[in-house]
Amino acid sequence: GAGVSQSPSNKVTEKGKDVELRCDPISGHTALYWYRQSLGQGLEFLIYFQGNSAPDKSGLPSDRFSAERTGGSVSTLTIQRTQQEDSAVYLCASSLGQGTVETQYFGPGTRLLVL
Amino acid sequence: AQKVTQAQTEISVVEKEDVTLDCVYETRDTTYYLFWYKQPPSGELVFLIRRNSFDEQNEISGRYSWNFQKSTSSFNFTITASQVVDSAVYFCALKGSGGGADGLTFGKGTHLIIQP
Repeated sequence: GAGVSQSPSNKVTEKGKDVELRCDPISGHTALYWYRQSLGQGLEFLIYFQGNSAPDKSGLPSDRFSAERTGGSVSTLTIQRTQQEDSAVYLCASSLGQGTVETQYFGPGTRLLVL
Repeated sequence: AQKVTQAQTEISVVEKEDVTLDCVYETRDTTYYLFWYKQPPSGELVFLIRRNSFDEQNEISGRYSWNFQKSTSSFNFTITASQVVDSAVYFCALKGSGGGADGLTFGKGTHLIIQP
């Protein structure tokens, strides 16, 4: 079946602009995760959704970052007033959402470059 | 706090050699889960294996094997008879028992280069 998909694959934006990244999880997966991968910080966990609910948003790097999920499926990660340090690969993962700890399956990521 | 250390930043071997990627972890949880992922040049993280802390049996899958040692907090990954297609960045990751809100804690990754 289809895996996790993310769009766009690549995004180049100017400093100060807003960007929206999209994640479409594996069909039937109710849990969804966002991570950021950068050279300096490695892979960082950002936020987790169970259904449409995100119980803990403390992993988001700043208040310029927000995420939402509607209909228990597609999620968007929005970065407002982008800064150069936001340049990274943003990875989305999903899991069944039926257990405490499940294997997460990752999408191909969105490469964000802020000029 | 949880931590995963992959001390080997980069390893380069010639095809057909065996290679071991090290992973050492720290956690206060008594129940936890360990993972290995492969990231080829395409960028997608590919799941390889998951191991629960209460199951210390080692596992072999074809040319891949994993050695979980709770006493040394290590979860090492060995590729036997390496092939060029094994070239990738390999990540070890840890998940505590706190539910999905914790996310995975990743090591910095080991870049494995298999030379023909």
